Amino acid sequence: SQTIHQWPATLVQPVGSPLSLECTVEGTSNPNLYWYRQAAGRGLQLLFYSVGIGQISSEVPQNLSASRPQDRQFILSSKKLLLSDSGFYLCAYTGGGNTIYFGEGSWLTVV
Amino acid sequence: GQSLEQPSEVTAVEGAIVQINCTYQTSGFYGLSWYQQHDGGAPTFLSYNALDGLEETGRFSSFLSRSDSYGYLLLQELQMKDSASYFCAVKVRATDSWGKFQFGAGTQVVVTP
Repeated sequence: SQTIHQWPATLVQPVGSPLSLECTVEGTSNPNLYWYRQAAGRGLQLLFYSVGIGQISSEVPQNLSASRPQDRQFILSSKKLLLSDSGFYLCAYTGGGNTIYFGEGSWLTVV
Repeated sequence: GQSLEQPSEVTAVEGAIVQINCTYQTSGFYGLSWYQQHDGGAPTFLSYNALDGLEETGRFSSFLSRSDSYGYLLLQELQMKDSASYFCAVKVRATDSWGKFQFGAGTQVVVTP
């Protein structure tokens, strides 16, 4: 069966510190991968999506970046966090169908 | 770009029927999805409509009118566990991709006894 995992589940980071969130998918090959951010009580904002290793499309200009070093691994990074980067970050994938599956999410608080 | 509009909150009593409307403006439209999200959790898939009409899955039904750029989610026989946020999402064409999913701001459904 297909599963998706992301970590860490929660983190508190000071302003200006780096960030790395990791996501892995199991049970499927060549998935489309996505990173979303959800501010408290808000909708989901698409940040990045990837169709293959090393292929990243950015939806929103910001101080975040994404990388896909392996087929089923997706990483969200920042060199210097801002207060506005706080939120709930969700990794997701599709296997070519019409359903998008989300990971458990990562709560980021920038202080 | 894409935009989706849905009400911010709906309150109803147990056993009632709730309809959540979603209007969208987009290009490269493939279909309309609905997702449920409980507090602190990840969104989970409810339905997907690619063609006009009504799709029924148990107590939940979803409708799409492509010509009106409009859809709705119908929740019947409301239960307390249905209290959650509901998001409409459009699947749209993306370069070199099977498509990408843009979400609305969500509708908070509050079910009261």
